[in-house]
Amino acid sequence: EAQVTQNPRYLITVTGKKLTVTCSQNMNHEYMSWYRQDPGLGLRQIYYSMNVEVTDKGDVPEGYKVSRKEKRNFPLILESPSPNQTSLYFCASVGAGEDEQFFGPGTRLTVL
Amino acid sequence: AQSVSQHNHHVILSEAASLELGCNYSYGGTVNLFWYVQYPGQHLQLLLKYFSGDPLVKGIKGFEAEFIKSKFSFNLRKPSVQWSDTAEYFCAVNGGYNKLIFGAGTRLAVHP
Repeated sequence: EAQVTQNPRYLITVTGKKLTVTCSQNMNHEYMSWYRQDPGLGLRQIYYSMNVEVTDKGDVPEGYKVSRKEKRNFPLILESPSPNQTSLYFCASVGAGEDEQFFGPGTRLTVL
Repeated sequence: AQSVSQHNHHVILSEAASLELGCNYSYGGTVNLFWYVQYPGQHLQLLLKYFSGDPLVKGIKGFEAEFIKSKFSFNLRKPSVQWSDTAEYFCAVNGGYNKLIFGAGTRLAVHP
Protein backbone atom coordinates (compact mmCIF):
# COMPACT_ATOMS: atom_id res chain seq x y z
CA GLU A 1 0.00 0.00 0.00
CA ALA A 2 1.31 3.43 -1.01
CA GLN A 3 1.77 5.51 2.08
CA VAL A 4 3.68 8.11 4.04
CA THR A 5 4.46 7.14 7.61
CA GLN A 6 5.52 9.33 10.49
CA ASN A 7 6.84 8.51 13.93
CA PRO A 8 6.06 9.23 16.62
CA ARG A 9 2.40 10.15 16.25
CA TYR A 10 2.32 11.93 19.60
CA LEU A 11 5.17 13.44 21.54
CA ILE A 12 5.38 15.52 24.69
CA THR A 13 8.79 16.93 25.49
CA VAL A 14 10.46 19.75 27.37
CA THR A 15 12.16 22.89 26.16
CA GLY A 16 15.66 22.29 24.84
CA LYS A 17 15.57 18.53 24.53
CA LYS A 18 16.55 17.57 20.99
CA LEU A 19 14.08 15.44 19.07
CA THR A 20 13.61 13.91 15.66
CA VAL A 21 10.36 13.14 13.87
CA THR A 22 10.81 10.55 11.17
CA CYS A 23 9.04 10.45 7.81
CA SER A 24 9.20 7.65 5.29
CA GLN A 25 7.46 7.06 1.97
CA ASN A 26 7.33 3.88 -0.10
CA MET A 27 6.39 5.43 -3.45
CA ASN A 28 9.88 6.34 -4.67
CA HIS A 29 8.88 10.00 -4.68
CA GLU A 30 11.52 12.61 -5.35
CA TYR A 31 9.88 15.51 -3.57
CA MET A 32 9.18 15.55 0.15
CA SER A 33 8.23 18.32 2.51
CA TRP A 34 7.26 19.14 6.06
CA TYR A 35 4.34 21.30 7.10
CA ARG A 36 3.10 22.49 10.44
CA GLN A 37 -0.57 23.04 11.10
CA ASP A 38 -1.73 25.64 13.59
CA PRO A 39 -5.31 26.73 14.35
CA GLY A 40 -6.40 29.60 12.15
CA LEU A 41 -3.24 29.45 10.05
CA GLY A 42 -3.74 26.29 8.02
CA LEU A 43 -0.61 24.41 6.97
CA ARG A 44 2.68 26.17 6.41
CA GLN A 45 5.70 24.64 4.77
CA ILE A 46 8.78 24.26 6.97
CA TYR A 47 11.34 22.60 4.69
CA TYR A 48 11.29 20.68 1.46
CA SER A 49 13.56 18.37 -0.47
CA MET A 50 13.61 17.94 -4.22
CA ASN A 51 15.76 14.83 -4.07
CA VAL A 52 18.51 13.12 -2.10
CA GLU A 53 20.91 15.64 -0.58
CA VAL A 54 18.83 18.57 -1.93
CA THR A 55 16.91 20.48 0.73
CA ASP A 56 15.72 24.05 1.11
CA LYS A 57 13.78 26.28 3.45
CA GLY A 58 10.05 26.73 3.23
CA ASP A 59 8.09 29.56 4.79
CA VAL A 60 8.71 28.83 8.49
CA PRO A 61 12.12 27.11 8.81
CA GLU A 62 13.38 28.76 12.01
CA GLY A 63 14.20 26.25 14.72
CA TYR A 64 14.11 23.23 12.41
CA LYS A 65 16.59 21.14 10.47
CA VAL A 66 16.12 18.36 7.94
CA SER A 67 18.23 15.86 6.08
CA ARG A 68 17.69 13.69 3.02
CA LYS A 69 20.31 10.96 2.91
CA GLU A 70 17.98 8.41 1.36
CA LYS A 71 15.14 8.92 -1.06
CA ARG A 72 12.51 7.37 1.15
CA ASN A 73 13.33 9.19 4.41
CA PHE A 74 13.05 12.85 5.37
CA PRO A 75 13.45 13.39 9.12
CA LEU A 76 12.59 16.65 10.84
CA ILE A 77 14.98 17.66 13.59
CA LEU A 78 14.33 20.10 16.39
CA GLU A 79 17.72 20.79 17.96
CA SER A 80 16.34 22.85 20.85
CA PRO A 81 12.56 22.75 20.90
CA SER A 82 10.62 25.68 22.30
CA PRO A 83 6.94 25.99 23.29
CA ASN A 84 6.13 27.92 20.10
CA GLN A 85 6.93 24.73 18.18
CA THR A 86 3.97 23.00 19.77
CA SER A 87 1.99 22.06 16.71
CA LEU A 88 0.71 19.32 14.43
CA TYR A 89 3.30 18.29 11.88
CA PHE A 90 2.69 16.66 8.51
CA CYS A 91 5.12 15.13 6.10
CA ALA A 92 4.16 14.98 2.42
CA SER A 93 5.59 13.50 -0.75
CA VAL A 94 4.92 13.68 -4.47
CA GLY A 95 6.56 12.12 -7.49
CA ALA A 96 8.24 14.05 -10.28
CA GLY A 97 5.67 15.07 -12.86
CA GLU A 98 2.79 14.08 -10.61
CA ASP A 99 0.35 16.42 -8.99
CA GLU A 100 -1.17 14.72 -5.97
CA GLN A 101 0.72 15.06 -2.73
CA PHE A 102 0.40 12.27 -0.21
CA PHE A 103 0.34 13.27 3.41
CA GLY A 104 1.42 11.32 6.45
CA PRO A 105 -0.87 10.82 9.45
CA GLY A 106 0.60 13.72 11.41
CA THR A 107 2.68 14.09 14.56
CA ARG A 108 1.23 16.06 17.41
CA LEU A 109 4.09 17.68 19.31
CA THR A 110 3.79 19.44 22.64
CA VAL A 111 6.80 21.31 24.03
CA LEU A 112 6.48 22.22 27.69
CA ALA B 1 3.14 36.71 -2.24
CA GLN B 2 0.63 34.01 -2.89
CA SER B 3 -2.15 33.60 -0.37
CA VAL B 4 -5.40 31.73 0.09
CA SER B 5 -8.41 33.03 1.99
CA GLN B 6 -11.19 30.85 3.29
CA HIS B 7 -14.13 32.96 4.32
CA ASN B 8 -15.77 30.71 6.86
CA HIS B 9 -13.80 29.33 9.76
CA HIS B 10 -16.68 27.40 11.27
CA VAL B 11 -19.82 26.13 9.56
CA ILE B 12 -22.64 24.23 11.22
CA LEU B 13 -25.26 22.49 9.10
CA SER B 14 -28.00 19.96 9.48
CA GLU B 15 -27.92 16.78 7.45
CA ALA B 16 -29.26 17.19 3.90
CA ALA B 17 -28.45 20.90 3.85
CA SER B 18 -26.43 22.25 0.96
CA LEU B 19 -22.85 23.29 1.49
CA GLU B 20 -20.73 25.98 -0.10
CA LEU B 21 -17.31 26.87 1.28
CA GLY B 22 -15.61 29.93 -0.11
CA CYS B 23 -12.00 30.10 -1.24
CA ASN B 24 -10.19 33.01 -2.84
CA TYR B 25 -6.57 33.04 -3.87
CA SER B 26 -4.05 35.61 -4.93
CA TYR B 27 -1.55 34.39 -7.48
CA GLY B 28 -0.69 36.03 -10.73
CA GLY B 29 0.35 33.02 -12.73
CA THR B 30 -1.22 29.79 -13.86
CA VAL B 31 -2.88 28.21 -10.88
CA ASN B 32 -3.40 24.68 -9.76
CA LEU B 33 -6.09 24.55 -7.09
CA PHE B 34 -6.92 21.89 -4.56
CA TRP B 35 -9.37 21.08 -1.82
CA TYR B 36 -8.23 18.77 0.94
CA VAL B 37 -10.29 17.27 3.73
CA GLN B 38 -9.09 16.26 7.17
CA TYR B 39 -11.41 13.99 9.14
CA PRO B 40 -10.99 14.04 12.92
CA GLY B 41 -7.68 12.46 13.87
CA GLN B 42 -6.73 11.64 10.29
CA HIS B 43 -4.34 12.94 7.68
CA LEU B 44 -5.23 15.18 4.77
CA GLN B 45 -6.93 13.61 1.81
CA LEU B 46 -7.37 15.14 -1.60
CA LEU B 47 -11.01 15.90 -2.40
CA LEU B 48 -10.53 17.40 -5.83
CA LYS B 49 -8.18 19.47 -7.93
CA TYR B 50 -8.25 21.89 -10.83
CA PHE B 51 -5.40 22.28 -13.28
CA SER B 52 -7.05 23.31 -16.53
CA GLY B 53 -10.07 22.67 -18.73
CA ASP B 54 -13.63 22.49 -17.43
CA PRO B 55 -13.84 24.95 -14.52
CA LEU B 56 -16.40 22.75 -12.77
CA VAL B 57 -14.53 19.86 -11.24
CA LYS B 58 -16.00 16.89 -9.48
CA GLY B 59 -14.27 15.11 -6.66
CA ILE B 60 -14.84 12.25 -4.33
CA LYS B 61 -17.82 11.80 -1.99
CA GLY B 62 -20.12 14.02 -4.06
CA PHE B 63 -18.09 17.21 -3.75
CA GLU B 64 -17.53 19.63 -6.59
CA ALA B 65 -15.81 22.97 -7.00
CA GLU B 66 -16.00 25.76 -9.52
CA PHE B 67 -13.01 27.76 -10.67
CA ILE B 68 -13.97 31.34 -11.53
CA LYS B 69 -10.87 33.01 -12.85
CA SER B 70 -12.34 36.53 -12.89
CA LYS B 71 -13.13 36.26 -9.19
CA PHE B 72 -9.98 34.38 -8.20
CA SER B 73 -12.28 31.89 -6.52
CA PHE B 74 -12.52 28.13 -6.16
CA ASN B 75 -15.56 27.43 -4.00
CA LEU B 76 -16.40 23.96 -2.77
CA ARG B 77 -19.96 22.69 -2.93
CA LYS B 78 -22.02 19.69 -2.01
CA PRO B 79 -25.79 19.54 -2.59
CA SER B 80 -26.65 17.49 0.49
CA VAL B 81 -24.25 16.97 3.38
CA GLN B 82 -24.11 13.97 5.66
CA TRP B 83 -22.99 13.59 9.23
CA SER B 84 -19.88 11.82 7.93
CA ASP B 85 -18.81 15.04 6.17
CA THR B 86 -17.92 16.54 9.54
CA ALA B 87 -14.28 17.49 9.04
CA GLU B 88 -11.94 20.37 8.38
CA TYR B 89 -11.60 21.52 4.79
CA PHE B 90 -8.58 23.23 3.32
CA CYS B 91 -8.26 25.09 0.05
CA ALA B 92 -4.76 25.23 -1.43
CA VAL B 93 -2.99 26.70 -4.42
CA ASN B 94 0.32 25.78 -5.98
CA GLY B 95 3.00 28.12 -4.67
CA GLY B 96 5.88 27.00 -6.82
CA TYR B 97 7.49 23.65 -7.48
CA ASN B 98 5.29 21.20 -5.60
CA LYS B 99 4.73 23.69 -2.78
CA LEU B 100 1.19 24.16 -1.56
CA ILE B 101 -0.13 27.38 -0.04
CA PHE B 102 -3.02 26.53 2.27
CA GLY B 103 -5.91 28.55 3.54
CA ALA B 104 -6.66 28.64 7.26
CA GLY B 105 -9.25 25.90 6.97
CA THR B 106 -12.99 25.64 7.58
CA ARG B 107 -14.34 23.39 10.28
CA LEU B 108 -17.63 21.84 9.22
CA ALA B 109 -19.95 20.26 11.76
CA VAL B 110 -22.98 18.39 10.44
CA HIS B 111 -25.72 17.57 12.88
CA PRO B 112 -28.06 14.60 12.35
